[in-house]
Amino acid sequence: GENVEQHPSTLSVQEGDSAVIKCTYSDSASNYFPWYKQELGKRPQLIIDIRSNVGEKKDQRIAVTLNKTAKHFSLHITETQPEDSAVYFCAGTGAGSYQLTFGKGTKLSVIP
Amino acid sequence: EADIYQTPRYLVIGTGKKITLECSQTMGHDKMYWYQQDPGMELHLIHYSYGVNSTEKGDLSSESTVSRIRTEHFPLTLESARPSHTSQYLCASSGHVLSGYTFGSGTRLTVV
Repeated sequence: GENVEQHPSTLSVQEGDSAVIKCTYSDSASNYFPWYKQELGKRPQLIIDIRSNVGEKKDQRIAVTLNKTAKHFSLHITETQPEDSAVYFCAGTGAGSYQLTFGKGTKLSVIP
Repeated sequence: EADIYQTPRYLVIGTGKKITLECSQTMGHDKMYWYQQDPGMELHLIHYSYGVNSTEKGDLSSESTVSRIRTEHFPLTLESARPSHTSQYLCASSGHVLSGYTFGSGTRLTVV
């Protein structure tokens, strides 16, 4: 089955700086990679996703890049703000699988 | 508004009690999942269902059981609660394989 590794486990940045979270996956047939943001005491929410036929996707201050050859994908947050502080989870799904395999999460702290 | 609903939001019960955590969705999704998560930590899959009368155990060994008699309803039952069951339980649903999950707000369970 799919295995997703996520790094770093914790990340602190100054407000206004960029943050990057990286994930690797094991199944070369994986074709869908969503990112979830979970604020303290709240449910995980989908913030951006990318499919295997696309190399990059942007939505305002967040972007995701995918390198299928190296089997890794990354979340980029620019001009970070205190409200970006949360736990972020990457995930992947193998071809033909309905299930998402989640990374272990990254706790992002944005220091004002 | 289409969403996924979990009740109760918080629950404190005594050891040995039987409890059922409710999960219902109005998303029109056929796939549903239960995760156990300590606050801000890794998501552990405990049960999933791809349709009515279909249930499977997940990666995390659990003493709970689930049922799927109706498409929109996926309750989780603990026959005899123990302090080790203290955690947050998140229900999720999904439709198309490339659409990601929608999570409920969770039930925070404390067994004393």
